[in-house]
Amino acid sequence: GDSVTQMEGPVTLSEEAFLTINCTYTATGYPSLFWYVQYPGEGLQLLLKATKADDKGSNKGFEATYRKETTSFHLEKGSVQVSDSAVYFCALGDATNAGKSTFGDGTTLTVKP
Amino acid sequence: KAGVTQTPRYLIKTRGQQVTLSCSPISGHRSVSWYQQTPGQGLQFLFEYFSETQRNKGNFPGRFSGRQFSNSRSEMNVSTLELGDSALYLCASRKGQGDVNTEAFFGQGTRLTVV
Repeated sequence: GDSVTQMEGPVTLSEEAFLTINCTYTATGYPSLFWYVQYPGEGLQLLLKATKADDKGSNKGFEATYRKETTSFHLEKGSVQVSDSAVYFCALGDATNAGKSTFGDGTTLTVKP
Repeated sequence: KAGVTQTPRYLIKTRGQQVTLSCSPISGHRSVSWYQQTPGQGLQFLFEYFSETQRNKGNFPGRFSGRQFSNSRSEMNVSTLELGDSALYLCASRKGQGDVNTEAFFGQGTRLTVV
């Protein structure tokens, strides 16, 4: 079945550092890929998405490129802020069942001033 | 516009009891999915409803059930609660079904603690 593997956390960075959170997936067909963010006490919010190979999703300084050849969707940000501290989830959309998404285990990011 | 609303936010129940959680999707959204989030298992898909019909189901025992009403509001029920059912239950709504590119909008979740 479909699966998503994220780099293990927690990740602790200093403000303005470069961020990479790795995500690889296994799926049949051509799923859409998503990054969601969860702030403490909140539900998940969509951060960015990509729907086909070589698409780049971007939002709030975060970027991720859909790499079909390496089945990856790594999240990057050039300069993190304290306010980026949260849990980040990589997810893929089921190509045949849109209501079902498969999530990675989440990576906790803490940014220190 | 109003987001996805889940009630209650927090719940404490005793083993063996049953519980009902509620989710009101974004107005106009007809697809509602439920997920269980635990530290050990992460986010796991429970089921999805569209137009009052269950379309997909995850690998959970029959103690977990749900339904959707004509106004798209959804409830999930867990019977004979076990300690391992303690989790954050998240509801997500989508506008339609069949479009894998549409994002899911999540509620804040219901934190269920079974004692």
